[in-house]
Amino acid sequence: GAGVSQSPSNKVTEKGKDVELRCDPISGHTALYWYRQSLGQGLEFLIYFQGNSAPDKSGLPSDRFSAERTGGSVSTLTIQRTQQEDSAVYLCASSLRGAWETQYFGPGTRLLVL
Amino acid sequence: AQSVTQPDIHITVSEGASLELRCNYSYGATPYLFWYVQSPGQGLQLLLKYFSGDTLVQGIKGFEAEFKRSQSSFNLRKPSVHWSDAAEYFCAVVGGADGLTFGKGTHLIIQP
Repeated sequence: GAGVSQSPSNKVTEKGKDVELRCDPISGHTALYWYRQSLGQGLEFLIYFQGNSAPDKSGLPSDRFSAERTGGSVSTLTIQRTQQEDSAVYLCASSLRGAWETQYFGPGTRLLVL
Repeated sequence: AQSVTQPDIHITVSEGASLELRCNYSYGATPYLFWYVQSPGQGLQLLLKYFSGDTLVQGIKGFEAEFKRSQSSFNLRKPSVHWSDAAEYFCAVVGGADGLTFGKGTHLIIQP
């Protein structure tokens, strides 16, 4: 079956621009996660959506980062006024119900801020 | 808050030799523990997980891990490594309702 998909695969942007990253979770999975993978910080948890509940935003690094999940399915991670330190691979994952279950990861979006 | 430590940034093992990757966690209650593997150009894939019960868990690709509460450890093992095992290995913990907390990862190099 289809796995988690993310788009775009790669994104190059200029400092100060806004970017939107998209994630399509596995059909039927109610839990969705965003992570960031960078050389200096390793894999960091950013945000977690569970069904229709308010998301856990505890991992978002600044107020320039936001995410939404429409209709309990597709999610968009938005970074406003990008900075060079935002350059990283942004990974999305989904699981059937919650964080205690196997998370299936997408291939990631590689973001480069010039 | 929970945390995960993987003390070894790089490990080099000869093909056919045994492997142990170390993982220590910090969490007040019984954690949910995971090992993920990330091969070059590939996404993260779950190797195995521990929730409760038998402290020795079997995973895919011949890997196993043992949960030791007294040592707060969840080390990954494989009796005989193959060249295709070269990858980045991440230990992770869930302690609560948020996402995974990952260790920094161990880069495994396989020598012929």
